[in-house]
Amino acid sequence: QLQLQESGPGLVKPSETLSLTCTVSGGSISSSSYYWGWIRQPPGKGLEWIGSIYYSGSTYYNPSLKSRVTISVDTSKNQFSLKLSSVTAADTAVYYCARHFDWLLLEEGTDYWGQGTLVTVSS
Amino acid sequence: SSELTQDPAVSVALGQTVRITCQGDSLRSYYASWYQQKPGQAPVLVIYGKNNRPSGIPDRFSGSSSGNTASLTITGAQAEDEADYYCNSRDSSGNLDLVFGGGTKLTVL
Repeated sequence: QLQLQESGPGLVKPSETLSLTCTVSGGSISSSSYYWGWIRQPPGKGLEWIGSIYYSGSTYYNPSLKSRVTISVDTSKNQFSLKLSSVTAADTAVYYCARHFDWLLLEEGTDYWGQGTLVTVSS
Repeated sequence: SSELTQDPAVSVALGQTVRITCQGDSLRSYYASWYQQKPGQAPVLVIYGKNNRPSGIPDRFSGSSSGNTASLTITGAQAEDEADYYCNSRDSSGNLDLVFGGGTKLTVL
């Protein structure tokens, strides 16, 4: 059974960089069938896609966050990571990592999600 | 703001049928996927594509699409279906970005 697990600091100071890692177990991140993504959810609000990456390193980012986001992949560790720079209180959210299947194909979706990790931006 | 529009809240009597809708220009070109999220839990994929259910999703969940509107229908709603539901698809700008609807809170009465 595929599992995804987010890890990283739960508290980040304003103007600093938020860094999270997602470790994939029970399957290979290098599978040609999938993209891997980050999605966040501010407390009491809806879901927001941050960006996604293919094992080769090809990336897609949300235009509203693109200037501050970097997503990278480490196939040797079966992990992918998120960096979000210059954070403010508005970046406080539960951050999920997830697996997308059939990316850009007709019947795509996101079938596996991590449990989510709350990141609070506060001094 | 979201390019996919959902009603904030919908209610249904136990055992009855409810339709949750998602509107957006991109839905004329792309299917929506639907996610169920219960408090404190990660979202769960319930419908994708034309009308596909992942393994383990009850067949009371179904999906459909017409014009700029995608719909998730629950036929015979159960108490455990009370949750937030989100649609997800591509944006309409041509950049192929993923977008989520604002979510619908389903209450089972």
